[in-house]
Amino acid sequence: QVQMKETGPGLVQTTQTLSVTCTVSGFSLTSYGVHWVRQAPGKGLEWMGIIWGDGSTNYNSALKSRLSISRDTSKSQVFLTMNSLQTDDTAVYYCAANVYYGLLDYWGQGVMVTVSS
Amino acid sequence: DVQMTQSPSYLAASPGESVSISCKASKSINTYLAWYQEKPGKTNKLLIYSGSTLQSGTPSRFSGSGSGTDFTLTIRSLEPEDFAVYYCQQHNEYPFTFGSGTKLEIK
Repeated sequence: QVQMKETGPGLVQTTQTLSVTCTVSGFSLTSYGVHWVRQAPGKGLEWMGIIWGDGSTNYNSALKSRLSISRDTSKSQVFLTMNSLQTDDTAVYYCAANVYYGLLDYWGQGVMVTVSS
Repeated sequence: DVQMTQSPSYLAASPGESVSISCKASKSINTYLAWYQEKPGKTNKLLIYSGSTLQSGTPSRFSGSGSGTDFTLTIRSLEPEDFAVYYCQQHNEYPFTFGSGTKLEIK
């Protein structure tokens, strides 16, 4: 069955770069896309971007200048990289598999990332 | 960006009752509307897509309706496991956006 698991640093300093990894199982990254979504404490869900099965990407324009999504298909891993972190980037970061266009069919448990000075 | 206005933000009901949650888009999204369920300790679950199509495994007491800008999630005969947070999401255009969520609690 499809499983998604996020791993990340837990705590990051302001102005530094965040790297979060999503390890998937049960499907090939060349078949399904993977979204990144985050949820700040007490806030709603914010869609960050997606890497499609063909390797192309789409980003939320609000984050595009700081965000990069990439993958290693041989390791079934997708990577989120975001620079110039500020305290309002503190959030739970989720990855989710996209089977049908734009849907978040399978979610990971999420990883909490705290940005602190 | 397409703004998704979800209401109510909080809803209290008893098992066996029926409830409805509204989701309104700031512009037409055709039927590119999905509903998700969030429960503590579990991964978020896709319930409904294309406005009204039940995802495999979603109980038939859940239903979705609407098109264009106005959508509704209805849950008939609430079961104890239905008390959760529900989100709508549009995937008609980038950036994909979510409603602010509805917390359904036991009365």
